[in-house]
Amino acid sequence: GQQVQQSPASLVLQEGENAELQCNFSTSLNSMQWFYQRPGGSLVSLFYNPSGTKQSGRLTSTTVIKERRSSLHISSSQTTDSGTYLCAMEANYAQGLTFGLGTRVSVFP
Amino acid sequence: NAGVIQTPRHKVTGKGQEATLWCEPISGHSAVFWYRQTIVQGLEFLTYFRNQAPIDDSGMPKERFSAQMPNQSHSTLKIQSTQPQDSAVYLCASSAGDTQYFGPGTRLLVL
Repeated sequence: GQQVQQSPASLVLQEGENAELQCNFSTSLNSMQWFYQRPGGSLVSLFYNPSGTKQSGRLTSTTVIKERRSSLHISSSQTTDSGTYLCAMEANYAQGLTFGLGTRVSVFP
Repeated sequence: NAGVIQTPRHKVTGKGQEATLWCEPISGHSAVFWYRQTIVQGLEFLTYFRNQAPIDDSGMPKERFSAQMPNQSHSTLKIQSTQPQDSAVYLCASSAGDTQYFGPGTRLLVL
């Protein structure tokens, strides 16, 4: 089965609403990373987050390594936040990433 | 900082032909990774190099796929005898230790 489970698979928001995306890992991991991707676009790194909470603008990532989970909170969503959010685990330091299937977020005005 | 550069951005090949994809990592980054993205499978790790040495190719199909890093400024992914199921976006990433930075990808279509 999937080592990295993301939920929900898709999310529809009205502009201004908050959202919480979840990522759960079935195996132990060294760290994890959150990415953003527009349709047909490149992967943009949002957070490298081995543990604890990190914030960047309206985005907050919280990772609890012992519980094998991470979340991404989007506050006051904007239409420009629409796209796919992917989480990925790093089983050992500086090795290849294992990705989840992503959460597709659509924000409407 | 130009970011990770991948060429070509799009490639169309006929079944059975060879395809070579190029990646130029961010200057100073010691690790280079290759991934493949499809709608069905999502993003899959293929292989990676550190300081030009191959470290892990556990995700590479055993036949027809090979990767090299002849110098610190570029890596290649070669697919011999391409098949329609090889159609995907091939992504290259580089890292200086933790965060991986991705290039725009090469969209390969095998007819």
